[in-house]
Amino acid sequence: DAKTTQPTSMDCAEGRAANLPCNHSTISGNEYVYWYRQIHSQGPQYIIHGLKNNETNEMASLIITEDRKSSTLILPHATLRDTAVYYCIVRRSSGSARQLTFGSGTQLTVLP
Amino acid sequence: EAQVTQNPRYLITVTGKKLTVTCSQNMNHEYMSWYRQDPGLGLRQIYYSMNVEVTDKGDVPEGYKVSRKEKRNFPLILESPSPNQTSLYFCASSLMGGLTGGAFFGQGTRLTVV
Repeated sequence: DAKTTQPTSMDCAEGRAANLPCNHSTISGNEYVYWYRQIHSQGPQYIIHGLKNNETNEMASLIITEDRKSSTLILPHATLRDTAVYYCIVRRSSGSARQLTFGSGTQLTVLP
Repeated sequence: EAQVTQNPRYLITVTGKKLTVTCSQNMNHEYMSWYRQDPGLGLRQIYYSMNVEVTDKGDVPEGYKVSRKEKRNFPLILESPSPNQTSLYFCASSLMGGLTGGAFFGQGTRLTVV
């Protein structure tokens, strides 16, 4: 699975959009971009995933560049409860991919 | 409600005393796995299972055993715990194959071995 690079930390004002970037320049054609988050010591929580089209769900939007070398997770109206470590993961969707490889992630702090 | 349930949530034990951490999911998922999380080392996979009676080692399997006798349960067994197994443990489950969406994680088990 391709390696990802994320900033170590980011701050965001409550109510504003939080934009979390991720670089995955070695991504291959059959690899998806997944985002998870982990609120302090709780189990990681799936947020969203995509292949090449932009995706949106009730939690967030995922914007993937046309060359697929980077992506941005957008939390449209961040709240204090969105403070967490956010992980960008690239992996194949098939069952042969045996694990999620979590990097260091980005610590997002939402400020009041 | 779809969920992965781990028990116990907290456990303090002594070196060498066998213990089992249970994991159960109610989503009929084929794939289940165990991770441990340590400061500075992130989440590392211990074992995984692709279906009943099918298990395989992850990145850090030493000192652990698992079994998958039923689809919903995937217990983690420490036959002779040692202090270096003090960690935060997570069980996860997901569908296999195709566009599976995300994995579901349990709330974690904080294990201390003294």
